[in-house]
Amino acid sequence: AIRMTQSPSSFSASTGDRVTITCRASQGISSYLAWYQQKPGKAPKLLIYAASTLQSGVPSRFSGSGSGTDFTFTISSLQPEDIATYYCQQYHNLPLTFGGGTKVEIK
Amino acid sequence: EVQLVESGGGLVQPGGSLRLSCVASGFTFSSHAMTWVRQAPGKGLEWVSGINDSGGTTYYADSVKGRFTISRDNSKKKLYLQMNTLRAEDTAEYYCAKSYGSGSLYYFDYWGQGTLVTVSS
Repeated sequence: AIRMTQSPSSFSASTGDRVTITCRASQGISSYLAWYQQKPGKAPKLLIYAASTLQSGVPSRFSGSGSGTDFTFTISSLQPEDIATYYCQQYHNLPLTFGGGTKVEIK
Repeated sequence: EVQLVESGGGLVQPGGSLRLSCVASGFTFSSHAMTWVRQAPGKGLEWVSGINDSGGTTYYADSVKGRFTISRDNSKKKLYLQMNTLRAEDTAEYYCAKSYGSGSLYYFDYWGQGTLVTVSS
């Protein structure tokens, strides 16, 4: 199975900060990567697919980049409503696998 | 509006069985693969099982293979997960999710609210 490693696992930032999360795949997955946001007590929500394509209705402050094994997720200006855990997911191979998650908190 | 509503969760003893259901609306159910993803309390997301649009092909995580069976009824717009020989480590919130495409290798563009399965004596 392809292992997805996210870093950091958690961190705190201030409103307005630029936030970057990385996701590394244990083998090449081309651009078959999605990012999800999960708020406490809620279901995950798709933000980005194909590594960099923003899902319809998702604010433009969210972005993604990368291909192969190394990927980046960025929030250009952190807002209070962005407090959540973020997960990457590869869909290059079965079994589909997720990263361990990155919990983002407000400082 | 796409909606996915799960049901069937609850408390079950180790070794017991449970059947989860997910009813879909707001999209052409028979054109999309569907999947179950679970999340143990305080843990991350784990893909459990998927089924293609027609129901003819199914996929399972090694952790549930041989114990869980995914199925669908396109006429009723329903997805199912039959869970047998349940273990304590199967305790989790189970989410039904819609795949973007018709086959197995996709991301999930809509999720249900989840149903909690607790395996305990």
